[in-house]
Amino acid sequence: DTAVSQTPKYLVTQMGNDKSIKCEQNLGHDTMYWYKQDSKKFLKIMFSYNNKELIINETVPNRFSPKSPDKAHLNLHINSLELGDSAVYFCASTTSGQGLYGYTFGSGTRLTVV
Amino acid sequence: AQSVTQLDSQVPVFEEAPVELRCNYSSSVSVYLFWYVQYPNQGLQLLLKYLSGSTLVKGINGFEAEFNKSQTSFHLRKPSVHISDTAEYFCAVGGVKAAGNKLTFGGGTRVLVKP
Repeated sequence: DTAVSQTPKYLVTQMGNDKSIKCEQNLGHDTMYWYKQDSKKFLKIMFSYNNKELIINETVPNRFSPKSPDKAHLNLHINSLELGDSAVYFCASTTSGQGLYGYTFGSGTRLTVV
Repeated sequence: AQSVTQLDSQVPVFEEAPVELRCNYSSSVSVYLFWYVQYPNQGLQLLLKYLSGSTLVKGINGFEAEFNKSQTSFHLRKPSVHISDTAEYFCAVGGVKAAGNKLTFGGGTRVLVKP
């Protein structure tokens, strides 16, 4: 049973295209995240949703638009892809409430823009 | 706001030797602290966490970390490493009342275990 699953695992596309990455968790968590990991392995938060509500929106170009149809799903749509968007995108989830239990991460989507 | 500094970008170590990965953080509020491991081409996996209580935290795979509030540090240790410990290790901090339980990650430390 995959706890946090991302699709696709690899995505190669040309500049200017629009693409989506999907994430689903079956852990019953109520908070989900998108992180971007660059070529130097640096992880930067992009967005977070809690029960379908956007609660974290870091400085990210408007070309990136998250959508959460329900608390188990968080998708990321990217318009007009640029070379600098090449990275590994990780979805993660956790449960809010008392304490902070740490995230469960998906295995990542490696996006290559050519 | 929080920040995390991992003082070593790479740590080469021989098999069965001990290893210590250093992590310092800054925060204006009380924090939770985490260590994650990322094996090649995989997602991040939680090694251990400090929420409160005892400052010495034991995690999976024989790792432990010590929270030092006065030095704002959370160093990770393992007394004897295996080849399979070769991976990238990330320290992360979250504010106790941070909106959205946001975690801020350090830049990572690559551990290369040599036979």
